[in-house]
Amino acid sequence: SQKIEQNSEALNIQEGKTATLTCNYTNYSPAYLQWYRQDPGRGPVFLLLIRENEKEKRKERLKVTFDTTLKQSLFHITASQPADSATYLCALVEDTGRRALTFGSGTRLQVQP
Amino acid sequence: GAGVSQSPSNKVTEKGKDVELRCDPISGHTALYWYRQRLGQGLEFLIYFQGNSAPDKSGLPSDRFSAERTGESVSTLTIQRTQQEDSAVYLCASSTTYGYTFGSGTRLTVV
Repeated sequence: SQKIEQNSEALNIQEGKTATLTCNYTNYSPAYLQWYRQDPGRGPVFLLLIRENEKEKRKERLKVTFDTTLKQSLFHITASQPADSATYLCALVEDTGRRALTFGSGTRLQVQP
Repeated sequence: GAGVSQSPSNKVTEKGKDVELRCDPISGHTALYWYRQRLGQGLEFLIYFQGNSAPDKSGLPSDRFSAERTGESVSTLTIQRTQQEDSAVYLCASSTTYGYTFGSGTRLTVV
C-alpha cells in the first residue's frame, strides 16, 4: 500500500541547533515533493518544493534534500528559533499527472529557548 | 482577495443535518482543492478542481459529500446527512502551479 511516513513523535531541540525532520514514502513515484508548516488552528503554509531530479534545495535557514533511491526527503532548519515551533508536513505529487498533493501526517517541532 | 477565505470558521450541527462550506480562492488561481483534517492527523484529499476540466472527486469518502465550483471562483463543499465521523477541519487551498495557499479552514463539529 502507499504510505507517506513522518515521525509522529514531537522533536524537541534547543534554540540555535539544527532541526532535521524525515519524510519517507512507499509505493509512490513522486514528480515533486513539498514541505509545509502548520500552526495550531491555521492552514498549512508552503515552504519549499523539490523536484525528483533535484538533490537539494535551500531557502534562507531551510534546506530540503530528496533521495529517490532511499525514497526519503529530509527537511533541515538551521539556527533554529522558538518561532520555528510548529508542525511540519511533507506532501508529494505523483508523476501520474494527478495534480493533487498527498500529505504525510506531520511532525511537531518544539524549539526550546 | 489577498488570501484564501473560508466560511464559516466554525460550524456546529446536529447529526443528520446538511451543511455547506464555502471557499473563496485567490483571484486568478485556476486550481482549487478541498482537504479534511481530523484532530492530530494529516490532510486527507477530498476533491480537486482545475479550470473547466472535470473535477477529480476520487477522495470524496461517500456520496453524502459533493462540491461545486463556479468557473474559477467560489467553491462550496456540501455534506448531507452529517455523521459524527464527519467532525473535522475542512481546508480549502488554491494554486497556480506549485505551492498551495490554504485558508484557515472550517471546523465542523457534528453533535
